[in-house]
Amino acid sequence: DTEVTQTPKHLVMGMTNKKSLKCEQHMGHRAMYWYKQKAKKPPELMFVYSYEKLSINESVPSRFSPECPNSSLLNLHLHALQPEDSALYLCASSLLPGLAGEIPPHIAKNIQYFGAGTRLSVL
Amino acid sequence: DAKTTQPNSMESNEEEPVHLPCNHSTISGTDYIHWYRQLPSQGPEYVIHGLTSNVNNRMASLAIAEDRKSSTLILHRATLRDAAVYYCIPRGASGSRLTFGEGTQLTVNP
Repeated sequence: DTEVTQTPKHLVMGMTNKKSLKCEQHMGHRAMYWYKQKAKKPPELMFVYSYEKLSINESVPSRFSPECPNSSLLNLHLHALQPEDSALYLCASSLLPGLAGEIPPHIAKNIQYFGAGTRLSVL
Repeated sequence: DAKTTQPNSMESNEEEPVHLPCNHSTISGTDYIHWYRQLPSQGPEYVIHGLTSNVNNRMASLAIAEDRKSSTLILHRATLRDAAVYYCIPRGASGSRLTFGEGTQLTVNP
């Protein structure tokens, strides 16, 4: 099973709403990622969790709050979003987080598996 | 992360080979070259990766230039299902992030 499941597939929310995006994998992966993708643009990394701890935050505004309750689940809590936050939010997982320095072969094969994404519209 | 240059778009006919080029002239000696693709309405998916030698798998082949400043993803017989955006991604020393460039939109004509 190489599936990363994201729910919901579509979400429409107002600027005052609070909502959450969910991501689940059962591949035993210990690294999980959130990416944001605007229309016709490539995905951009937002957050990385390694062994359930936040390891990378790409200067994402605090209205996006990630959470990793356990090694299989990743949430993205949304609050007070702006219309420009409308995008496709992608979750990914990989077997192991990266390491500093020279890449061992098993890390070089550290394939990321992506979900189909949640398409978010902020009104 | 090394900067990449790929054509914005390419076209192919079904059942013909496709060669997708990527320039990565600033790649470091320890960076692997990964290729991912993104089909319409889906998340990206891994295609292939390599370091120095040419690589083959069930999806594609990867030809890496001797100086490692460029690589070519080869789809031996394109199908309609191969229509996607193809991303060439040098994997940095940290190994944890994927930094996507603009990629190449491949159109496959029946």
